[in-house]
Amino acid sequence: EDQVTQSPEALRLQEGESSSLNCSYTVSGLRGLFWYRQDPGKGPEFLFTLYSAGEEKEKERLKATLTKKESFLHITAPKPEDSATYLCAVQGETDKLIFGTGTRLQVFP
Amino acid sequence: EAQVTQNPRYLITVTGKKLTVTCSQNMNHEYMSWYRQDPGLGLRQIYYSMNVEVTDKGDVPEGYKVSRKEKRNFPLILESPSPNQTSLYFCASSSYFTGIREQYFGPGTRLTVT
Repeated sequence: EDQVTQSPEALRLQEGESSSLNCSYTVSGLRGLFWYRQDPGKGPEFLFTLYSAGEEKEKERLKATLTKKESFLHITAPKPEDSATYLCAVQGETDKLIFGTGTRLQVFP
Repeated sequence: EAQVTQNPRYLITVTGKKLTVTCSQNMNHEYMSWYRQDPGLGLRQIYYSMNVEVTDKGDVPEGYKVSRKEKRNFPLILESPSPNQTSLYFCASSSYFTGIREQYFGPGTRLTVT
């Protein structure tokens, strides 16, 4: 059964304190792994798609990496405006999109 | 501006009173989907549509109906809402023919059923 587990559930960082969020997955025939950012009361906002192990993508202070079993979202020198819930999702050969429950990130000045 | 819109954004209703949540996208996407989001459970798919007149059940379809008569619109219908349908609902769309579900989400509809 396709499954996505995100850790930690919540993360508190001081501004400038770099860290990583983890997304572990089990899927038959990975077609894509997606990262989204969700602000409170709003819809998820698409960040990245990763297609195969070894791939990396960057956007401002965020960098997403992918292995055969997990993906990491690295946050370098975070700012308070990076505070949000980060969601990971996978699409396998069934085409179905499976979401994790997210990591709630809080960055304090 | 490319976007997915939903209406209403907030809705409080009573058990059994039929309601419809509208969803519209302006990106000419073939694939549209409805999700509900509940604390600790993440996003769960209710129904999806791969194109006009083509709809199928997701993981939690009970108590919901959808229709896809036009490419841009995908309304969610609750014929007889119950309190366990109190949730945050999201509509999403993506291009079907790329085969990759880079979905774009609407702003959400917070539904309370009393």
